[in-house]
Amino acid sequence: GDSVTQMEGPVTLSEEAFLTINCTYTATGYPSLFWYVQYPGEGLQLLLKATKADDKGSNKGFEATYRKETTSFHLEKGSVQVSDSAVYFCVSAQKLVFGQGTRLTINP
Amino acid sequence: NAGVTQTPKFQVLKTGQSMTLQCAQDMNHEYMSWYRQDPGMGLRLIHYSVGAGITDQGEVPNGYNVSRSTTEDFPLRLLSAAPSQTSVYFCASRNRVSPLNYGYTFGSGTRLTVV
Repeated sequence: GDSVTQMEGPVTLSEEAFLTINCTYTATGYPSLFWYVQYPGEGLQLLLKATKADDKGSNKGFEATYRKETTSFHLEKGSVQVSDSAVYFCVSAQKLVFGQGTRLTINP
Repeated sequence: NAGVTQTPKFQVLKTGQSMTLQCAQDMNHEYMSWYRQDPGMGLRLIHYSVGAGITDQGEVPNGYNVSRSTTEDFPLRLLSAAPSQTSVYFCASRNRVSPLNYGYTFGSGTRLTVV
């Protein structure tokens, strides 16, 4: 069946560091892929998406490129801020399959 | 503001008690679903509905019931609460027509503790 595997957390970085959170998926087809973010005490919000191979989703300085050849959708940001501290979920849209989440903490 | 509203935000139950978690959306979304979030396990689908009068089981349906009498509301019932149901519960909805473009809208969650 479909599955999503995320890099295990927690991840702790200093402000302005480069961020990568790895995500790989397995699916019968080529599902749309999402990154959702959950800030402390809040629900999940759509961060970015990509609907086909080689698409790049971007929002709030975050980017992720849909790589069909490696079945990956890694989340990156060039310079993180304290306000980016949250839990990030990689999601396969075909059956809304969630990765286990990666908790990110940014220290000032 | 348009969105998904969940109530209550927090709840403590004793083992064996029953309760209903409420979920309402005002976006006229056809699809609604319930998830539970447990540490290290992402979100797991409990039940979902593709429209009023239609419900189906997800990955972890045991111990939960749902109904969908209106498009707006999708309550989740715990018939006899167990400590294993201690979790954070999220309700989500989406439009049937453009799910891939707009993703899902989530409620803010209900934190349930069963003692």
